[in-house]
Amino acid sequence: GDSVTQMEGPVTLSEEAFLTINCTYTATGYPSLFWYVQYPGEGLQLLLKATKADDKGSNKGFEATYRKETTSFHLEKGSVQVSDSAVYFCALTANTGNQFYFGTGTSLTVIP
Amino acid sequence: DARVTQTPRDKVTEMGQEVTMRCQPILGHNTVFWYRQTMMQGLELLAYFRNRAPLDDSGMPKDRFSAEMPDATLATLKIQPSEPRDSAVYFCASALGLAGGNEQFFGPGTRLTVL
Repeated sequence: GDSVTQMEGPVTLSEEAFLTINCTYTATGYPSLFWYVQYPGEGLQLLLKATKADDKGSNKGFEATYRKETTSFHLEKGSVQVSDSAVYFCALTANTGNQFYFGTGTSLTVIP
Repeated sequence: DARVTQTPRDKVTEMGQEVTMRCQPILGHNTVFWYRQTMMQGLELLAYFRNRAPLDDSGMPKDRFSAEMPDATLATLKIQPSEPRDSAVYFCASALGLAGGNEQFFGPGTRLTVL
């Protein structure tokens, strides 16, 4: 069945470091892919998404490219800030819209 | 700015008591989800509804949990009787369907503590 696998955490980086959080997926057809972010004490919120192969989602300096050949949707940011400290979830929705999956979440802490 | 609302935000109760959590989805959204989040288990889907009909509640302990949508503006999650292992943050989310890459909008959560 469909699934999402994301990098285990926690991840600790210094401010201005480069961030990569890996996410790979298994799906039939052409799912939509998402990154959600959860700040402390809050619900999840959409960070970015891509709905077809080779699309790049971007927001707040974060980027992820939908790579069908490697079934991946890795999250990247060139220079992280303390305010980026949060838990990041990779997610998938099947193209039918009837199935959806969240990864286990990766906790990121950015230290000054 | 449309958002999902949940009440109460915090609930502390004694074991054996009934707990009801409420969610108001974003107006016009036809798909509503209930999740539970704990440190040990992470984010778990409990149930979800489309057009007020339950589509999947396989993640929900049937003996004590129930989820309903009395109308399009209200979703409820009830636990009776509550147990300490139910302590968690419960999130409601809504979406305008999921096809076509539509996102889920999450509420702020209800933090439940069962003593």
